[in-house]
Amino acid sequence: SQQGEEDPQALSIQEGENATMNCSYKTSINNLQWYRQNSGRGLVHLILIRSNEREKHSGRLRVTLDTSKKSSSLLITASRAADTASYFCATAPSGNTPLVFGKGTRLSVIA
Amino acid sequence: DGGITQSPKYLFRKEGQNVTLSCEQNLNHDAMYWYRQDPGQGLRLIYYSQIVNDFQKGDIAEGYSVSREKKESFPLTVTSAQKNPTAFYLCASRVDKNYGYTFGSGTRLTVV
Repeated sequence: SQQGEEDPQALSIQEGENATMNCSYKTSINNLQWYRQNSGRGLVHLILIRSNEREKHSGRLRVTLDTSKKSSSLLITASRAADTASYFCATAPSGNTPLVFGKGTRLSVIA
Repeated sequence: DGGITQSPKYLFRKEGQNVTLSCEQNLNHDAMYWYRQDPGQGLRLIYYSQIVNDFQKGDIAEGYSVSREKKESFPLTVTSAQKNPTAFYLCASRVDKNYGYTFGSGTRLTVV
């Protein structure tokens, strides 16, 4: 079952602009994670935010979490062509259960 | 360097054949996972293992089998019972629930 749903499905922006992707989920979570996938490659873990956290930063990435709305957003600032990839949110319903992934947002950054 | 190695990168299966996808990690992670990804789709969980000699079915386990005889290894067999096996298969591991997954680079399986 897929719990997370990313929005939009695809996003195209110019280099230097900010990119915002959203994730909604259905059940309570222990944490929420964001991953990046370059075409034909494995996923790379970007950031993990716990259910008791509201915002987290890592370099040019900013993640917010609103558990009352069951939603999260990933902001990539000052995007680069190398940020072109698919981005997935994944939720952990409880401690040791496997992650449940959404279908992803395809981001294209045009130089 | 520590990581997860999946092999082969590309695999072709004839109708009625069983094939085994390899996943090896040297990260000393207890938990390992197999996911399937279809074009334009998210990841769906096939099987997972929290500890050696133990594994559980995921959402789409039918037609697949696994073993976990060693901590480092979690091979996935795609059996002839899996009617639509063409997909990208991803193996992952993690040290504990407070960390993200480390993924391998994937195996692309095609039925010929």
